[in-house]
This record gives sequence, C-alpha cells and structure tokens, in this order.
Amino acid sequence: KAGVTQTPRYLIKTRGQQVTLSCSPISGHRSVSWYQQTPGQGLQFLFEYFSETQRNKGNFPGRFSGRQFSNSRSEMNVSTLELGDSALYLCASSPGLHTGELFFGEGSRLTVL
Amino acid sequence: GENVGLHLPTLSVQEGDNSIINCAYSNSASDYFIWYKQESGKGPQFIIDIRSNMDKRQGQRVTVLLNKTVKHLSLQIAATQPGDSAVYFCAENSGGSYIPTFGRGTSLIVHP
Repeated sequence: KAGVTQTPRYLIKTRGQQVTLSCSPISGHRSVSWYQQTPGQGLQFLFEYFSETQRNKGNFPGRFSGRQFSNSRSEMNVSTLELGDSALYLCASSPGLHTGELFFGEGSRLTVL
Repeated sequence: GENVGLHLPTLSVQEGDNSIINCAYSNSASDYFIWYKQESGKGPQFIIDIRSNMDKRQGQRVTVLLNKTVKHLSLQIAATQPGDSAVYFCAENSGGSYIPTFGRGTSLIVHP
C-alpha cells in the first residue's frame, strides 16, 4: 500500500506570493491533517479534514487555508507569503476521525525569500 | 537532510546500549500518548502508543513508560542500533481533542 504522498517536495517562493501544497493520503484513509514544522516552534497543527469538511483548525492566521476533495486528497494554500512561513509542511492521514495514529508524508519544504 | 530541530536536546549512545528518551507533558487531562521517530528528510513515523489507563507498554525493542503523577513519559530502546538515529517526538492528546500536541523532540545519535 502506498504511503502518504506530498507534492512538491521542495519549493522556493518570494514574499507576497502564494503557494499550494498537495497531499494524497493512504488509500482508504479519510482523515487528513496538516502540520507546520520549524526549528523554533516544532510541529504545530494547522487543520484537519474529514469527508471534505474542516473539523479542526489550529492557531494560524487566515492566510493559511485548505480543502479536501471527494477522493480524500487534500490541498493547503498559503497566501501573501511571509519569511516566517518558511518551514516543512507535513501532511498526515488516518483511517478515520479521532483514531490516534497518524501516517505522515515526507513533507513539502517551503523556503520564502 | 532536513534540520527539523537545530537546538534539540541530544542523546548520544554507543551501538548496543539501551537508550532512554524522556518527555514531560503539560496537560493533566491528556489521556493518549504517542511516540514518533523522524529520520532526516522524512516525516514522523509512529513507534508506539499508550493510554492513560496503563503505565507501561512494550513493543519490539521499545518500551513506553507513563507516570501520570509527574506528567512524564519515557521511551526506552533496547540494544540501540545506528538505524535508530533520529529525532524522537512525544505527542499527547486530551480526551476532548484528538489533535495531538507534539513535544520539541530529542535527537538520538547512535555511534557504531
């Protein structure tokens, strides 16, 4: 069974631009969550989707948004990029909502110049 | 590789030694805990979990101990191998939320 796939793996943007990251969960998994990982703040929860609905949201500004499609694939978008948005963005899937163990992808490394 | 934690606590051990990685959690209402391993350039990988109604759980070469009195969690790795070198995170969930809160992580370095 294929794992969680995230694209792109690496990208470089400039301040003010926007970016869209994609995540394909493990086949059959319906819950997708997103995390931001930085050296200073560690792993921080962004949002969680289940059945195309955002179920939970972390403490991030409205520039961070996401969505989930009917096939459970998810995208997250960051608009008006700031230098501080440089981070590893991790997607995780799980079979259902509130099932504990998360299966992470390898992440999308975003650098904002 | 990915520098996921430039100022992480670091534990250096020799191959074959036992390793103990500690984690202090903050929420006394947390009732579910998971340890993850993150190798350079990869996402976190589930190692073992434990619920608050237990104080010990064993897996293959790993044991997790939970002390709710002092809100402390530890991961013991037996006969540590070079392939165990990674950053280890503990994560806690409270009953009202299944969104895990992750610790800062500990970097384990295993010397052959």
